[in-house]
Amino acid sequence: QQQVKQSPQSLIVQKGGIPIINCAYENTAFDYFPWYQQFPGKGPALLIAIRPDVSEKKEGRFTISFNKSAKQFSLHIMDSQPGDSATYFCAASRRDGNNRKLIWGLGTSLAVNP
Amino acid sequence: DTAVSQTPKYLVTQMGNDKSIKCEQNLGHDTMYWYKQDSKKFLKIMFSYNNKELIINETVPNRFSPKSPDKAHLNLHINSLELGDSAVYFCASAGSDNSPLHFGNGTRLTVT
Repeated sequence: QQQVKQSPQSLIVQKGGIPIINCAYENTAFDYFPWYQQFPGKGPALLIAIRPDVSEKKEGRFTISFNKSAKQFSLHIMDSQPGDSATYFCAASRRDGNNRKLIWGLGTSLAVNP
Repeated sequence: DTAVSQTPKYLVTQMGNDKSIKCEQNLGHDTMYWYKQDSKKFLKIMFSYNNKELIINETVPNRFSPKSPDKAHLNLHINSLELGDSAVYFCASAGSDNSPLHFGNGTRLTVT
């Protein structure tokens, strides 16, 4: 059972376009939602993150929109560049006893054509 | 300086062999992890470990075992390798609570 559903699986846009990646979750205990970016041959790296008390967060060209009532959040990349071509993962985090549990989406492979 | 380093970068071996992957972090983090990434890019947590607790994903075969000689190191030992173990294995570390995961660059394991 996939607790964090991510779509689309792959996405191709032209340079300057605005790719949007969507994620949905069920468990209302999740309280932190990070996005990770992974380039080929590298490990994932934190891109941007949001907490559910905020509806939007921007960092440079990257924006997370968060809809708590719908239990959905999405990543928007403004003015996308070929260098943004990577795999993007959404995730959701919750307390699990004394630890935190991080549940990953399945990833979206983004290609930005020049 | 690399924050999370793992070796080797590539590992090709035959079925039935035993192998190890090493991981070191110089971030002073309390918790370290091993993840497996399959050919479809799905990230699956295998273990998380801090100086107090080892948490094992129950779906991981007991042929896989983490070994932590100290807080900065978490090595992965794999016994009796199988074809299905072929994947990229990532080590990661994190500080407290929701601090971000810092990943190594992965070890691509190929079992022939």
